[in-house]
Amino acid sequence: AQTVTQSQPEMSVQEAETVTLSCTYDTSESDYYLFWYKQPPSRQMILVIRQEAYKQQNATENRFSVNFQKAAKSFSLKISDSQLGDAAMYFCAYRGSGNTPLVFGKGTRLSVIA
Amino acid sequence: GAVVSQHPSWVICKSGTSVKIECRSLDFQATTMFWYRQFPKQSLMLMATSNEGSKATYEQGVEKDKFLINHASLTLSTLTVTSAHPEDSSFYICSARAGVNTEAFFGQGTRLTVV
Repeated sequence: AQTVTQSQPEMSVQEAETVTLSCTYDTSESDYYLFWYKQPPSRQMILVIRQEAYKQQNATENRFSVNFQKAAKSFSLKISDSQLGDAAMYFCAYRGSGNTPLVFGKGTRLSVIA
Repeated sequence: GAVVSQHPSWVICKSGTSVKIECRSLDFQATTMFWYRQFPKQSLMLMATSNEGSKATYEQGVEKDKFLINHASLTLSTLTVTSAHPEDSSFYICSARAGVNTEAFFGQGTRLTVV
């Protein structure tokens, strides 16, 4: 079974600084998708960024970018120019090919210090 | 992105009663819907996967007779917690997907409190 590991239960960053959240996963599949979701206090799950495993280029969405290392099965999220609104729980998630559900890591709680 | 509406946002019920949670895809047809449960300060745990017109597939350890899932149409799935007990109190989240290789969108979740 696929597993997703987030080794940082909590992280903090100064406003306007950069922070990197770590994620590793385990799978025997070659075709899969990786995601980072943000869950603010409202608990609405918000997609931050996604990466298709077959793409070598790292995904980028404005201030959010990933470092996808397929051989190492690593998928870290970098948040640049951190803002107070970035404070939330961040979940790394994996989805295999086909009609399969998301598998989530345990999450990292990010605090942004003004 | 597409919109998934979950209702109610919160509900309080008495022990022994049943409560139904609805998950609707408002602007797309959801061939597959997923139901998750989230305990405080924990991650999302998959309860079951439902495909329109088929019986739901439950994860190991999830009681199918207690958590009844119906996905009778392409825009609506329901989760009914039967004979609820305080230990069923939790945050329940649905997500819906239009097709195999499409994005899954999440409802806003339902906070269930059983007293």
